Amino acid sequence: EVQLVESGGGLVKPGGSLRLSCAASGFTFNSPFSDAWMSWVRQAPGRGLEWVGRIRPIGGPTHYAAPVQGRFSISRDDSKNTVSLQMDSLKVDDTAVYYCTWVGVENWFASWGQGALVSVSS
Amino acid sequence: QSVLTQPPSASGTPGQRVIISCSGSSSNIGSNSVHWYQHLPGTAPKLLIYSNNRRPSRVPDRFSGSKSGTSASLAISGLQSEDEADYYCSTWDDSLNGVVFGGGTKLTAL
Repeated sequence: EVQLVESGGGLVKPGGSLRLSCAASGFTFNSPFSDAWMSWVRQAPGRGLEWVGRIRPIGGPTHYAAPVQGRFSISRDDSKNTVSLQMDSLKVDDTAVYYCTWVGVENWFASWGQGALVSVSS
Repeated sequence: QSVLTQPPSASGTPGQRVIISCSGSSSNIGSNSVHWYQHLPGTAPKLLIYSNNRRPSRVPDRFSGSKSGTSASLAISGLQSEDEADYYCSTWDDSLNGVVFGGGTKLTAL
């Protein structure tokens, strides 16, 4: 069973930066992490789920939701089975729990981490 | 405002069948598969239905999904108290080039 564990959340001032990491385990030889599409999804307080972006297996492009395009960047280290979310120029509206997810063939989110809380406040 | 439209709330008595709808457009539901998630506050969301009507092995067959045109629905039969949660639909949107979610439906077992 795939397990995902996020880390790096915290309190940051508007305009600041924060980097979230997601450690993945449970991938198999036939279905290695290096072949996995990964995404970040967030939930702001009192709001619904919102897709942030996704990264394809190495060599493929990343895609981002419009609200974070140009400010957030997703990267991966297949040697460590990790995926990261670099968040720059943070805004108060970016306050949310951020979930790391493993993406299925038709963009379903097959596995979710427990979430990392990011609070943007002065 | 979410791209996919869900009713904000739904309810039913234990044992009853409840249906949650999800409405979209030709650029999302009309041309891509729909997936459903169950989310209990304070926990990680769980995949409930994928590819319109397929269930992960751990999900009881009380849960089923369907899609027609630009709408989809999640049916829960034999409602149980532990089914109380928020339910979200999602799909890929070809115009936005990204995943879109419904606003979520809070299910209450009366």
